[in-house]
Amino acid sequence: QQQVKQSPQSLIVQKGGISIINCAYENTAFDYFPWYQQFPGKGPALLIAIRPDVSEKKEGRFTISFNKSAKQFSLHIMDSQPGDSATYFCAASKPNTDKLIFGTGTRLQVFP
Amino acid sequence: EPEVTQTPSHQVTQMGQEVILRCVPISNHLYFYWYRQILGQKVEFLVSFYNNEISEKSEIFDDQFSVERPDGSNFTLKIRSTKLEDSAMYFCASSDLRERAFFGQGTRLTVV
Repeated sequence: QQQVKQSPQSLIVQKGGISIINCAYENTAFDYFPWYQQFPGKGPALLIAIRPDVSEKKEGRFTISFNKSAKQFSLHIMDSQPGDSATYFCAASKPNTDKLIFGTGTRLQVFP
Repeated sequence: EPEVTQTPSHQVTQMGQEVILRCVPISNHLYFYWYRQILGQKVEFLVSFYNNEISEKSEIFDDQFSVERPDGSNFTLKIRSTKLEDSAMYFCASSDLRERAFFGQGTRLTVV
């Protein structure tokens, strides 16, 4: 119930392509869904986040799509660039808690 | 841009020894966290700290672990008697609002 399942484990995309990473959750109490980007040797950095009252949020080339009924959310990276090559983590948290539950991560490689 | 600073970047310690990992959160943040990431695995919540006390902790955060904010700027994680399985990357994070956490670069702890 506390898990966030993330797929795929790794993703290879050509430059200019669309990268799509999916996450699913079971606990309907979750109300905050961030995505973090992590480069090797660095800490996770907040990329974009969404709450369940909207179905989509876009910031630049990054879009979160949220499907409340399916309990799924996904990150879309448009026009993927080699600089986007990193590990991406989805996460979720419940109201009135500090704890972020992270997915298992997706290693994205964008080739020129 | 303000950032969370962690020291040391890498700590090697013998099994059974005590270690203290240090963090300087972003100055106007009120919520502080420790997470850990075993190599190649997901980021796991350890503990959150607010108003000079632990607000939440995970099952990983047993009696061997403690946190402290000894002065107005530092936030520390102490592991009293390290075990081999404590080897991981430890991330400090801080936030001005619940959930919107900014992570430090991490301390790689190696227990030998």
